[in-house]
Amino acid sequence: AQSVTQLDSQVPVFEEAPVELRCNYSSSVSVYLFWYVQYPNQGLQLLLKYLSGSTLVKGINGFEAEFNKSQTSFHLRKPSVHISDTAEYFCAVSRDNNDMRFGAGTRLTVKP
Amino acid sequence: GAGVSQTPSNKVTEKGKYVELRCDPISGHTALYWYRQSLGQGPEFLIYFQGTGAADDSGLPNDRFFAVRPEGSVSTLKIQRTERGDSAVYLCASSSTISGGYHNEQFFGPGTRLTVL
Repeated sequence: AQSVTQLDSQVPVFEEAPVELRCNYSSSVSVYLFWYVQYPNQGLQLLLKYLSGSTLVKGINGFEAEFNKSQTSFHLRKPSVHISDTAEYFCAVSRDNNDMRFGAGTRLTVKP
Repeated sequence: GAGVSQTPSNKVTEKGKYVELRCDPISGHTALYWYRQSLGQGPEFLIYFQGTGAADDSGLPNDRFFAVRPEGSVSTLKIQRTERGDSAVYLCASSSTISGGYHNEQFFGPGTRLTVL
C-alpha cells in the first residue's frame, strides 16, 4: 500500500519569503500525487495534482510542486508567501484517486 | 453551485451511544468518500462508494462503523456503541467519474466534529 511522509509538522516563515513544504511517498506502483490546503475552520481544497506528464506542476495561489520519481518526493514550493497562506497543508498519494492516503500535515505559519 | 454538505456540523454524544452522520454530495457525483481526521493528523480513508455500493471499505476500523448510500446520492455514516477514541472530524468528499475508471478531483465537505464524552 502507498503511504506519505510529511517531514515537517510546522513551518514558520516571514511574509514574502520563499517556502518549501516537503513530502515523500512510498509505493510499489505508479501513483498520483496531490497537495491539499485546509484553512482554519474550512474544508480541504485541492492546490495541485500530478497525474502524468511534466514533473513540474503549477497550482492555485502561486504554489507549484515538482515530482521526483528517483527521490520519491513531491515537495510544494512558493517563491513569496503571504499572510493569507497560513494554513495546514496535506500531501496525498493515490493509485487512481479512489484510495487516497494523506500525510499528517504541515502547519505553515506566515509572520508579518 | 452547491458543494458537499455535512450534517450536523458538531455532534456531542456519550460513550456507548449510537450516532449517524450525513453527507450530501455534489449533484451528479457518482463517487463518495468518508474520511476521519483526528487531532493533529491527516485525513484517514474509511470507505468509498461508487453509486450505491461500497467499492472499498477497507478503512473502516471495526464492525461498529457502517455506511450506506441507498439511492446513490446521500450517504450516512453510522457508528454504534461510540467510544472516546471515535472523537474526530469526519469528512465526506465526492467526485465524478471519467472513462477508464479514474475519478476527477475529490471535493470535500466541511466535516462533522464528533465528540464522545
